[in-house]
Amino acid sequence: GQNIDQPTEMTATEGAIVQINCTYQTSGFNGLFWYQQHAGEAPTFLSYNVLDGLEEKGRFSSFLSRSKGYSYLLLKELQMKDSASYLCAVSPSALSGNTGKLIFGQGTTLQVKP
Amino acid sequence: DTEVTQTPKHLVMGMTNKKSLKCEQHMGHRAMYWYKQKAKKPPELMFVYSYEKLSINESVPSRFSPECPNSSLLNLHLHALQPEDSALYLCASSPWDTSNTEAFFGQGTRLTVV
Repeated sequence: GQNIDQPTEMTATEGAIVQINCTYQTSGFNGLFWYQQHAGEAPTFLSYNVLDGLEEKGRFSSFLSRSKGYSYLLLKELQMKDSASYLCAVSPSALSGNTGKLIFGQGTTLQVKP
Repeated sequence: DTEVTQTPKHLVMGMTNKKSLKCEQHMGHRAMYWYKQKAKKPPELMFVYSYEKLSINESVPSRFSPECPNSSLLNLHLHALQPEDSALYLCASSPWDTSNTEAFFGQGTRLTVV
């Protein structure tokens, strides 16, 4: 089956660092994505990992370990506007190749406090 | 242009109505998607179109009928919906020819069935 787990809620302080974890079990693997979604808005792309290691993009970094089925999103220098839901999504592979499918975790609601 | 445009933004319809949701992108993406998102839940895939052909139908009830008139447009025709179909309907697009299947999401149509 397909299973993606991430914490439901997290709270952090403005200026701090927060790490949001994601574990997954899927039929095949063709990459892992992190999306940010503010309430009432569309998800926006943050990062993509397909190989093991760390991808850094400004204040946001994402890490992947394929052997452990594990990823995390690291947010540095937190700002109030970072309060949002963070969605981990996996693209499973298929024998026929790319499916275009994304399977989302339940999302982690991050609240940044002053 | 890196936008996916959805219309209408809000829709209220009765259970006997027929309505359509529209989605448009001009990024040259050859894959387009419909997702359904309930409150405080992640997006759930409904349909995938690749090169204007339906490639995935996630066992969606026939009261939802997708259509892809050309590579830039995606419609979702609605008929005889139920109140439990009320949700945010998200359209997305992505390149098909690369391994990075980053999906760009539209702002969504907030649908209420009464």
